[in-house]
Amino acid sequence: EPEVTQTPSHQVTQMGQEVILRCVPISNHLYFYWYRQILGQKVEFLVSFYNNEISEKSEIFDDQFSVERPDGSNFTLKIRSTKLEDSAMYFCASSETRVGETQYFGPGTRLLVL
Amino acid sequence: AQSVTQPDIHITVSEGASLELRCNYSYGATPYLFWYVQSPGQGLQLLLKYFSGDTLVQGIKGFEAEFKRSQSSFNLRKPSVHWSDAAEYFCAVGERGGNTGKLIFGQGTTLQVKP
Repeated sequence: EPEVTQTPSHQVTQMGQEVILRCVPISNHLYFYWYRQILGQKVEFLVSFYNNEISEKSEIFDDQFSVERPDGSNFTLKIRSTKLEDSAMYFCASSETRVGETQYFGPGTRLLVL
Repeated sequence: AQSVTQPDIHITVSEGASLELRCNYSYGATPYLFWYVQSPGQGLQLLLKYFSGDTLVQGIKGFEAEFKRSQSSFNLRKPSVHWSDAAEYFCAVGERGGNTGKLIFGQGTTLQVKP
């Protein structure tokens, strides 16, 4: 069964460093998402991406964040200058279409900023 | 603003017992409704979803959920819990008429199953 994959599974970085989280969505999907979950808190929407552009972003998704689909398979989330409060589990998801369709989630990347 | 509340942070049930996980939402209209499950080290897996029609929806692994518009609820049920059901369960809503498909999640309920 097709699945969304994410790398790395864990990442530790120093505050102020740039990190890139990688995701490979399901191959025929067209809509891509990033969510995050700070420990003990809700899963929060960060950004949705379609047709090589952001379709919606949350208040969390400030100028420090960017997303890219550099080739036909990868979908990346970059945090330019990490802060302590960026420590969280980051989930990538994809869906064939958008509204109401099932989003398939990856296993997540746990980011720890020291 | 849309919101989802899962009142129970942690629930423990005995294996074979019935289960009900509560979910309430706040939304201007009827949203799309989802239940996801997350086992340790795994991603979020869809259990079931409600779009329209029959308010009782069946999902995988023997789960079902009932949409009650009057109570703004979408509670998840299972008649007999198995030890493998121990996991974290998330209720989520999606906008109707939105153009991005973003999901808004509840806090999650951790289910522990006693032998």
